[in-house]
Amino acid sequence: DVVMTQSPLSLPVTLGQPASISCRSSQSLVYSDGNTYFHWFQQRPGQSPRRLLYMVSNRDSGVPDRFSGSGSGTDFTLRISRVEAEDVGIYYCMQHTQWPHTFGQGTKLEIK
Amino acid sequence: EAQLVESGGGLVQPGGSLRLSCAASGFTFSTYWMSWIRQAPGNGLELVANIKSDSSEKYYVDSVKGRFTCSRDNAENSLYLQMNNLRAEDTAVYYCVGFGARVYWGQGTLVTVSS
Repeated sequence: DVVMTQSPLSLPVTLGQPASISCRSSQSLVYSDGNTYFHWFQQRPGQSPRRLLYMVSNRDSGVPDRFSGSGSGTDFTLRISRVEAEDVGIYYCMQHTQWPHTFGQGTKLEIK
Repeated sequence: EAQLVESGGGLVQPGGSLRLSCAASGFTFSTYWMSWIRQAPGNGLELVANIKSDSSEKYYVDSVKGRFTCSRDNAENSLYLQMNNLRAEDTAVYYCVGFGARVYWGQGTLVTVSS
């Protein structure tokens, strides 16, 4: 199975400051078709998760442009340019290049 | 507006069975891969089963193989998860999730396996 390792697991951030979450996979996530099937999800307290970014760097509809994604192969990063109160929650990376599709452990973002 | 509504969760004894259902609306269900993703209390996310839009492909995580069966009825816009021989470690909120041009999540249904 592809193991997804996130860091940090806890991320206290001051409002208005940037934040960054790393996700590393145990194998390359480049599929045979050349695409990288890697997503970022956000789970706010008490809510179901929602996808923020797909295929590494593409924002889903309605996602603020302060969220951005980058990376390739086995190393990926989620960046928030200026953290807002509504960004509190747990962030998960996920790969669906290879079955079983797997998630990272989650990174809990909180406001300092 | 797209919506997924799960039902069928509850308390069951170890070794028992449950059937989860998911009713979809507001999007073209028949074109979406559908998944069941679970979240144990205080834990992260685990994708336990996947089913292709036309049911021609199904995948299960090793821990549920032979015990869980995922199916769908595109005419009824519904997804199902038959869970047999349940174990304490199956206790979780089970989400119905649609993967396509967008990703849709249900609100989840809690399955508790305990004597």
